[in-house]
Amino acid sequence: DADVTQTPRNRITKTGKRIMLECSQTKGHDRMYWYRQDPGLGLRLIYYSFDVKDINKGEISDGYSVSRQAQAKFSLSLESAIPNQTALYFCATSDSGQLNTEAFFGQGTRLTVV
Amino acid sequence: KNEVEQSPQNLTAQEGEFITINCSYSVGISALHWLQQHPGGGIVSLFMLSSGKKKHGRLIATINIQEKHSSLHITASHPRDSAVYICAAGPGGTYKYIFGTGTRLKVLA
Repeated sequence: DADVTQTPRNRITKTGKRIMLECSQTKGHDRMYWYRQDPGLGLRLIYYSFDVKDINKGEISDGYSVSRQAQAKFSLSLESAIPNQTALYFCATSDSGQLNTEAFFGQGTRLTVV
Repeated sequence: KNEVEQSPQNLTAQEGEFITINCSYSVGISALHWLQQHPGGGIVSLFMLSSGKKKHGRLIATINIQEKHSSLHITASHPRDSAVYICAAGPGGTYKYIFGTGTRLKVLA
């Protein structure tokens, strides 16, 4: 099984619908992240969490919310999806032990908003 | 001008060729990360380095802090190396990383 698991892998939803993307990890890491990837752009940080009670906005948090239900689970919600939120979404984790630590990514969720 | 730039954007090579992908950055960093994104979308960490050189199998990553430049080399390339290679540079902490737009590599048999 993958260390970082994202569900669903693919989703098509209609404009205005609420949708949740889920991420779970077995790495035992404190830190979790949500990124989106758009063609021609680098990964951009949406939200990050250093632990269950510490959640922070990233570069592009507008239109998104998150929930850290447990150390191993970090969910991303689109309250009212819009077409420009069509993208590939990645969850990642890293260890909090050192300043520079390797990041572990999920397989990605391809979201299409029609 | 992007803070992290990769070149080339696209690269096609014949199997067995030596490949170099470049990453230049303008931000101060404490580490640089090389990632591989498979055609199916998943991202795998290849290297994290803050100085010198690292090697893993046929992959070699180097960094020159003074010149703010890193290279990823693939020796004896193989079709299974076909992927998008992404560099990410940051001043410290994964949440501060700035990602390049990636280099799409295709290795032909």
